[in-house]
Amino acid sequence: NAGVMQNPRHLVRRRGQEARLRCSPMKGHSHVYWYRQLPEEGLKFMVYLQKENIIDESGMPKERFSAEFPKEGPSILRIQQVVRGDSAAYFCASSPELRGNTIYFGEGSWLTVV
Amino acid sequence: QQQVKQSPQSLIVQKGGISIINCAYENTAFDYFPWYQQFPGKGPALLIAIRPDVSEKKEGRFTISFNKSAKQFSLHIMDSQPGDSATYFCAASIKTSYDKVIFGPGTSLSVIP
Repeated sequence: NAGVMQNPRHLVRRRGQEARLRCSPMKGHSHVYWYRQLPEEGLKFMVYLQKENIIDESGMPKERFSAEFPKEGPSILRIQQVVRGDSAAYFCASSPELRGNTIYFGEGSWLTVV
Repeated sequence: QQQVKQSPQSLIVQKGGISIINCAYENTAFDYFPWYQQFPGKGPALLIAIRPDVSEKKEGRFTISFNKSAKQFSLHIMDSQPGDSATYFCAASIKTSYDKVIFGPGTSLSVIP
């Protein structure tokens, strides 16, 4: 029973490039969450998605960041025109449909902007 | 109001000692309080969780104490071991139709031999 799968695990991008982070939720899970963890900081909620719908994007920066969870395939977190401040660990989590279940995290994608 | 406060920021405990991490919240709508453990380079993993209708929950060496009136909860790690050295996050879930989890800033625990 595979857990939440994220790739790439490590990504290096130059300033101005685009970063795409992918997340496949656990089997049977239809809810996906993205969190960002800056160095020496806690986890900050970014966005919550269900299949084909963004439910809550209150934690997403207003510009350059977008997320999707298509009917088929993984969830994608896209960061356009990356800047040094985007360097962080990005964690995806998933949960099943029922309310009250715990969210389960993937191993994270570490983005470094040079 | 959605903030979860956590202390201490870092903690050093001798092997065999008790590690205590404290958290507090403001939003009374929170109805689920998990603790996550994170090792360097890894994702957070659920350690133990409690709901506000219970004052204490114990799983092995890990115990959550919950004080609903004070809006505080804490994690106790009994007989702390070097393998427990990690960052611990308390968290709270908002009472909506989905599991949006708000995390505390984390506590870095070092258990020394």
